[in-house]
Amino acid sequence: GDSVTQMEGPVTLSEEAFLTINCTYTATGYPSLFWYVQYPGEGLQLLLKATKADDKGSNKGFEATYRKETTSFHLEKGSVQVSDSAVYFCALNPTGTASKLTFGTGTRLQVTL
Amino acid sequence: NAGVTQTPKFRILKIGQSMTLQCTQDMNHNYMYWYRQDPGMGLKLIYYSVGAGITDKGEVPNGYNVSRSTTEDFPLRLELAAPSQTSVYFCASSEARQGDQPQHFGDGTRLSIL
Repeated sequence: GDSVTQMEGPVTLSEEAFLTINCTYTATGYPSLFWYVQYPGEGLQLLLKATKADDKGSNKGFEATYRKETTSFHLEKGSVQVSDSAVYFCALNPTGTASKLTFGTGTRLQVTL
Repeated sequence: NAGVTQTPKFRILKIGQSMTLQCTQDMNHNYMYWYRQDPGMGLKLIYYSVGAGITDKGEVPNGYNVSRSTTEDFPLRLELAAPSQTSVYFCASSEARQGDQPQHFGDGTRLSIL
C-alpha cells in the first residue's frame, strides 16, 4: 500500500541555519505530495504542495521538489527562524482519489536563538 | 472565515461513557474527514464522507460512528469510551475535485479516557 517515511526528530537548529527534512514515499502512479505544518496547540495547515514530477512547491521560504526518480519530496529552507518551530508532516494523495491523504509520522523542528 | 470548527477543545471521559465530537465547516466542502493523532504516530483516518448522507470507514474505525446529515456538519461519536481512544482528534474538509486539493483542518479535540 501507499506509505510515507520521514526522518526522525526532533531536529534542533540555530536560527538562520539551513533546514532539510527528508521525505520519501511509496505509491503507484503519480500521487500529489504535500507538506503540512502543525504549530503547538493547533491543527495542521497546508505549507506547500506539488502535483507532478519535477514540480517545486514553495511557501514562506520553504521549498520541496517532487522527485519521481528517487520517490522523494524533501523540505528545505535556507534560513530558519524561531517562529518555524513546529511539527512538519509529509503526505501523499494517491492518483485518482479525491483527497484521501496518507501521512508520515511527522518531524518536530526546534529552532533556538 | 471560520473554516473548520471543532468542539469541545478538551474533554475527560470515564471508561464506558459516550460522547460526540462536533465538527462544522463553512466552506461548502463536500469531503470531510476524522483523524486521530497519537504521539509519534502521525494521523490515522477514522472515517470520511464524500457528501451528505454518505460515509465510509477509514483505517481505524472500530469504536467510532459518524453521520453526515448536512454538508456543514460531521459529528464523531464514541459509544463506549476505552483508554485506547485517548488521543487528539482532528476534523478536516476538502473540495471534492481532484486529489491535488488540500485538506483544511480544525484545531483539534484533546480527549482523555480515564
